[in-house]
Amino acid sequence: AQKITQTQPGMFVQEKEAVTLDCTYDTSDPSYGLFWYKQPSSGEMIFLIYQGSYDQQNATEGRYSLNFQKARKSANLVISASQLGDSAMYFCAMRESLSGAAGNKLTFGGGTRVLVKP
Amino acid sequence: DAGVTQSPTHLIKTRGQHVTLRCSPISGHKSVSWYQQVLGQGPQFIFQYYEKEERGRGNFPDRFSARQFPNYSSELNVNALLLGDSALYLCASSLVPGGYTGELFFGEGSRLTVL
Repeated sequence: AQKITQTQPGMFVQEKEAVTLDCTYDTSDPSYGLFWYKQPSSGEMIFLIYQGSYDQQNATEGRYSLNFQKARKSANLVISASQLGDSAMYFCAMRESLSGAAGNKLTFGGGTRVLVKP
Repeated sequence: DAGVTQSPTHLIKTRGQHVTLRCSPISGHKSVSWYQQVLGQGPQFIFQYYEKEERGRGNFPDRFSARQFPNYSSELNVNALLLGDSALYLCASSLVPGGYTGELFFGEGSRLTVL
């Protein structure tokens, strides 16, 4: 079974509008972390936002917010006021067992390509 | 401040050859991880090193190996290259493995093409 599922392969968004990128995950580990990364055409994975499984509040970082619904196992990324520079691939990822030895083993979804239209 | 740097940025090899990819973490970071990203897919975890010891390994054959040096830089080696090894190889660094801050910093990757 897929551990991280991103069901939207691609989407268009109008500049200055908000966009929601879907991410569902599957884990039996009570301690996990959820990440969103942006990957422009240069290839670099740029960290956007992080949500820990025990965090009570949804994470926010500037124009990025994470809509964390633990019971539904979803961690959707909301980008507000889209800009042309937001055009990129976006990946959702999960890290299980925060205290484990391989603390940097992330499982990534297949990604969503976002194109912002002027 | 310099971010994670990787070299070479692009390279072309033929089947059966060997390749070495290099990564310098952010200054002060002691943990380095390697990921393989095949075109059109998300990255897949290959290795993690911390304080020069292997801390985790993904589902990759023994043709893949890595090491971390005293200055915390790292090398990824792939022997007997196959066409399917063509991918973007990403290196990531962090202060320590895991933790609660969440941030894992990636380089721009080494794009390997196997002909």
